[in-house]
Amino acid sequence: EPEVTQTPSHQVTQMGQEVILRCVPISNHLYFYWYRQILGQKVEFLVSFYNNEISEKSEIFDDQFSVERPDGSNFTLKIRSTKLEDSAMYFCASSTRGTQYFGPGTRLTVL
Amino acid sequence: AQTVTQSQPEMSVQEAETVTLSCTYDTSENNYYLFWYKQPPSRQMILVIRQEAYKQQNATENRFSVNFQKAAKSFSLKISDSQLGDTAMYFCAFMKVDYGQNFVFGPGTRLSVLP
Repeated sequence: EPEVTQTPSHQVTQMGQEVILRCVPISNHLYFYWYRQILGQKVEFLVSFYNNEISEKSEIFDDQFSVERPDGSNFTLKIRSTKLEDSAMYFCASSTRGTQYFGPGTRLTVL
Repeated sequence: AQTVTQSQPEMSVQEAETVTLSCTYDTSENNYYLFWYKQPPSRQMILVIRQEAYKQQNATENRFSVNFQKAAKSFSLKISDSQLGDTAMYFCAFMKVDYGQNFVFGPGTRLSVLP
């Protein structure tokens, strides 16, 4: 069964550094999403992406964040200058008809 | 804006028993989907069940079923014959029927199935 994959599973970085989180959505899906989950808290929407552009973003998704679909398969989330409060689990999801399928997540630790 | 509330931060149930997790939501939309996702300790988000708001019949998936009360904006999850593998965080989620819209998640209920 097709699934969403994410790499790396765990990323450790220094505050102020740039990180790129990678996702490979399910191949026939058209909508792509990033969510984050700070430890012990609920899952929060960051951004949705459709037809090669952002369709919606939350207030969390400020100028430090960007998304890209550089080729036909990958979907990336870049954080330009990480802050301590960016430490969280980041989930990628994709969908075609409502139900979103989530990847296993990338645990980002900012030191 | 939509909000999703799960009033039970933690619950426990004995193996083989039945448990019901509560979810309420607030929206002015008439057409939407509701979901329950399970997050085990691995932290993977796994779809449990989905309900379309236009359907009056409650969704069922094996041991999992929902009680969808549209007028009351309530969407509870019933787990029958609970198994140890059901131990997880359970999140209720709302999505407008406008493809590409994001999910709004509730704060989650931590369910422990006891042997």
